[in-house]
Amino acid sequence: DIQMTQSPSSLSASVGDSVTITCRASQGISNYLAWFQQKPGQAPKSLIFAASSLLSGVPSRFSGTYSGIDFTLTISSLQPEDFATYYCQQYNTYPHTFGQGTKLDIK
Amino acid sequence: QVHLEQSGAEVKKPGSSVKVSCKASGGRFSRSGISWVRQAPGQGLEWMGGIIPIYGTPSYAQKFQGRVAITADKSTTTSYMDLSSLTSDDTAVYYCARGPIDWLPYHLDSWGQGTLVTVSS
Repeated sequence: DIQMTQSPSSLSASVGDSVTITCRASQGISNYLAWFQQKPGQAPKSLIFAASSLLSGVPSRFSGTYSGIDFTLTISSLQPEDFATYYCQQYNTYPHTFGQGTKLDIK
Repeated sequence: QVHLEQSGAEVKKPGSSVKVSCKASGGRFSRSGISWVRQAPGQGLEWMGGIIPIYGTPSYAQKFQGRVAITADKSTTTSYMDLSSLTSDDTAVYYCARGPIDWLPYHLDSWGQGTLVTVSS
């Protein structure tokens, strides 16, 4: 199975800050990487697919990039509604494994 | 606009089975990949398996092989996840999620609301 190593596991930031979350795949997955946001008690929300493509309705302050097996999610100018847990997922190969998650909370 | 409606919460005894349904509305059901993902209390997301209805053959995570069955009924646009030999470790919220039409490999862009399955004697 492909392992997705996500870091950091937790992160504290303030409204207006810019933050970056990283996922590293254990082997090549092309750009078949998605990012999700989850708030307590809610279903995950899909944000990005194909490493850098924003889904409809996702604010432009979210962006994704990649280089080889390293993928990043950047949230610029954090808004209060952005404090949540974020997950990456590779969908290149079954099983479609998730990263362990990054909890972003308010400093 | 795709909408996924899951069945209600379940309480099950250890050793029994549970079947969770996920009805899709909007979009072309048979040509969109569907995944089942679970989340134990306080834990992360775990991919269990998936199916593309038009092809019919599901794929499962090794951890659940032999214990899970994912199916898709094109006539009712409903996917089912059947998990057997339940233990307390299977207590979790189970989500279905769906990808866009004709997209392979498929990413997930719509999620059901989740179904809480509690396994307790």
